[in-house]
Amino acid sequence: DTAVSQTPKYLVTQMGNDKSIKCEQNLGHDTMYWYKQDSKKFLKIMFSYNNKELIINETVPNRFSPKSPDKAHLNLHINSLELGDSAVYFCASSQARYNSPLHFGNGTRLTVT
Amino acid sequence: KQEVTQIPAALSVPEGENLVLNCSFTDSAIYNLQWFRQDPGKGLTSLLLIQSSQREQTSGRLNASLDKSSGRSTLYIAASQPGDSATYLCAVEGGRKSSSNYKLTFGKGTLLTVNP
Repeated sequence: DTAVSQTPKYLVTQMGNDKSIKCEQNLGHDTMYWYKQDSKKFLKIMFSYNNKELIINETVPNRFSPKSPDKAHLNLHINSLELGDSAVYFCASSQARYNSPLHFGNGTRLTVT
Repeated sequence: KQEVTQIPAALSVPEGENLVLNCSFTDSAIYNLQWFRQDPGKGLTSLLLIQSSQREQTSGRLNASLDKSSGRSTLYIAASQPGDSATYLCAVEGGRKSSSNYKLTFGKGTLLTVNP
């Protein structure tokens, strides 16, 4: 039983397209996150939601828009994709908004050509 | 701004050796420090979480220590096995700036290879 699942695993698309990545967690956690891991393997937070409320919004282009329809789901929509958006995007969840271990999904490798 | 550094960037050891991975952070006003492992093509797996009031945490062959005042943590792996080969990441939650709250700042990781 996958605790944090994200789809798709691989996403190859052309510049200018709009795409979405979906994430679901079955752990009953209150907090969910999107992280980006760039080509140098550096992992950086993008967004965090707690009980469907946005609590962290890092300096991310507004082409990236997270949506949390309920506390078990956090999707990431990206408009007008650029070459520099190529990276691995990880969804994660935690029991509470702080002092809780994070549980990660297996990542979505996005390649923009 | 919180920054996390991990040394060494890569480490190769023979099976059975005990080893230490190092992590340092610039802002000591943290809530906790977490160690993760990442296998190729996979997400991160949480290994240990040390609260700011704690000095160490243990799980099986893993022991992590925290010296908050000096901004350092170590991850000790006893009797290493080939299955321990992975990238190990250190992350801290919090800092003096409120913008550091509720999020983890990661180091770049140490790539560990345990040779049979």
